Amino acid sequence: DAGVTQSPTHLIKTRGQHVTLRCSPISGHKSVSWYQQVLGQGPQFIFQYYEKEERGRGNFPDRFSARQFPNYSSELNVNALLLGDSALYLCASSSGQGASTEAFFGQGTRLTVV
Amino acid sequence: GESVGLHLPTLSVQEGDNSIINCAYSNSASDYFIWYKQESGKGPQFIIDIRSNMDKRQGQRVTVLLNKTVKHLSLQIAATQPGDSAVYFCAENTVDQAGTALIFGKGTTLSVSS
Repeated sequence: DAGVTQSPTHLIKTRGQHVTLRCSPISGHKSVSWYQQVLGQGPQFIFQYYEKEERGRGNFPDRFSARQFPNYSSELNVNALLLGDSALYLCASSSGQGASTEAFFGQGTRLTVV
Repeated sequence: GESVGLHLPTLSVQEGDNSIINCAYSNSASDYFIWYKQESGKGPQFIIDIRSNMDKRQGQRVTVLLNKTVKHLSLQIAATQPGDSAVYFCAENTVDQAGTALIFGKGTTLSVSS
C-alpha cells in the first residue's frame, strides 16, 4: 500500500513568490493535516481538513491557505514567501477526524526561500 | 502557551543498553499521546501511542508510560540498536484541537554507539 505522498520533495523559491505543495493521503483516509517543521524544532500544526472542510487551524498568518479535494488529496498554498517560511512541510493523513486517531506522515517537502 | 516539551535535547547510549526518553506535557485535557521517530531527511514515523485512560503500553522493544498526575510521558527502548539513532518526538492531541492536530515537543536526539 502506498503511504502518504508529497510533491515536490524539494523546491527553491524567491521572497515574495507563491508556492503550492501537494499531498495524497493513504487510500481510504479522509483527513489531511499540514505541519511546518523548522530545522531543529518539532513540527507545528498549520491546518487540518476532513471531508473537504477545514476542521482546525494553527497559529499561522493568512498567507497560508489550504484545501482538500473530492479525492481527499490536499494542497497547501503560501503567498508572499518570507525567508522564515523556509522549512520542511509535512502532510499527515488519518482515517477519522476524532482524537485518538493515528496520523501517518509523508516524507515532506523541503522549501527553501532565498 | 501550552506545549509539549522534552527534558533532554540529546541522549547518547551504547548498543544493547536500554534508553529512556522523557517528555512533559502541560495540557491536562490531552487525551491521546504519540511517540514519533524521525530520521534525517524523513517524515516522522509512528512508534507507539497511548490514551489517557492507560498508564502503560508495550510494543516491540518499546514501552510508553503515562503519568497523568505529573503530566509526564516516557518512551523506553529495550536493547537499543544503532538503527534506533534518530530524533524522537512526543506529541499530544488535546480536546481543544479538531481531529488529529498534534502538538509536538522539540525532540530528543538519540545517538547509539556500537
